[in-house]
Amino acid sequence: EIVLTQSPATLSLSPGERATLSCRASQSVSRYLAWYQQKPGQAPRLLIYDASNRATGIPARFSGSGSGTDFTLTISSLEPEDFAVYYCQQRSHWLSFGGGTKVEIK
Amino acid sequence: QEQLMQSGAEVKKPGSSVKVSCKASGGGTFSNYAISWVRQAPGQGLEWMGGIILVFVTANYGQNFQDRVTITADESTSTTYMELSSLRSEDTAVYYCARGHYDSSGYFPPLDSWGQGTLVTVSS
Repeated sequence: EIVLTQSPATLSLSPGERATLSCRASQSVSRYLAWYQQKPGQAPRLLIYDASNRATGIPARFSGSGSGTDFTLTISSLEPEDFAVYYCQQRSHWLSFGGGTKVEIK
Repeated sequence: QEQLMQSGAEVKKPGSSVKVSCKASGGGTFSNYAISWVRQAPGQGLEWMGGIILVFVTANYGQNFQDRVTITADESTSTTYMELSSLRSEDTAVYYCARGHYDSSGYFPPLDSWGQGTLVTVSS
């Protein structure tokens, strides 16, 4: 099973600041890495797939990068609606999720 | 507008089984997709239970669920089912179905459409 480790667990930032979230895989997943956003009481929403492709309707302030074992999700300038929990997920070998990063208001 | 509609909340006794349904509507050929089941315990993260690439019909299961979960699909009603057996209190969670378009690569697709979630409570 491929284990995904996300860091940091919590990120405290102010609106307008840049957020950088990390996801590390226990073995190479090539570029088969996605990012999801989840708000309380809601289902997750796909943001980024295959490391750097934005899903339909996702704003350009969200970007993804990386390959192999190290990946990054960047939110260039935080909007109030971006404060949420973010999960990475690999699909190189079945599926698995990281433990999540909570982006909270500082 | 494609939607995934899940069955309602369940309360189950330890040792029993639960079967949750997920009906797809709004367009798209049923067999062009893969459905995954993901669960989320209270205050916890997401956990992949297993999934089915509908053109293959055969399901694949996550390591933690190999012996207890069965995922099936009925193309005639565009409905996928997840049955979890030998329930214990730790199985109390919200269970989601999620779908992605299968591209014939052999890999499960990203999950771009999610059901609303089904709360399963296991309590004596």
